[in-house]
Amino acid sequence: QKEVEQDPGPLSVPEGAIVSLNCTYSNSAFQYFMWYRQYSRKGPELLMYTYSSGNKEDGRFTAQVDKSSKYISLFIRDSQPSDSATYLCAMSEDFGNEKLTFGTGTRLTIIP
Amino acid sequence: DTGVSQNPRHKITKRGQNVTFRCDPISEHNRLYWYRQTLGQGPEFLTYFQNEAQLEKSRLLSDRFSAERPKGSFSTLEIQRTEQGDSAMYLCASSWGGGNTIYFGEGSWLTVV
Repeated sequence: QKEVEQDPGPLSVPEGAIVSLNCTYSNSAFQYFMWYRQYSRKGPELLMYTYSSGNKEDGRFTAQVDKSSKYISLFIRDSQPSDSATYLCAMSEDFGNEKLTFGTGTRLTIIP
Repeated sequence: DTGVSQNPRHKITKRGQNVTFRCDPISEHNRLYWYRQTLGQGPEFLTYFQNEAQLEKSRLLSDRFSAERPKGSFSTLEIQRTEQGDSAMYLCASSWGGGNTIYFGEGSWLTVV
């Protein structure tokens, strides 16, 4: 079993819809949780960074962490075609972020 | 563009040959990371440097792999005696210290034929 599980999709939704992306994990030592966006043949780009349980909002993006369930989510409101990309969750045990453990990524397409 | 720069972007090599990738981090970033990503998978941690010191190596980094950062600036990742299983995108990233945003480069694609 992988330490981080993420549904690879693909996921297609119409423009303007709310998108929900999720990851589960097995390592209870993970404390720092991130979401990255990766466009085709590009490097990952950090979207959201959260510590421990709770919610964090940044514009159209909301990240949720539930450590008791070992479950994290990313919500995208008012989705746009430019949001079409692969979304990767990532986690680390340490504040220093030396070693990130990534999910497999979910490929998202927003249909105009 | 002052982002993380990786060269070459694409490399096709025959099995058994050696290849070397170079990474130039964002100026003044003291931490440099190498990750490997295969199709349909997320990046996997390989190693990281703080300045010129290599502080952690993943067990994924076999003896055929060696990474250096001799002056604490750019880094090289060399793969000796390449195998088909080495085909992947090799991602470099950098950050200032720990706990800050890690910026990834666009990756170096390796195809071993």
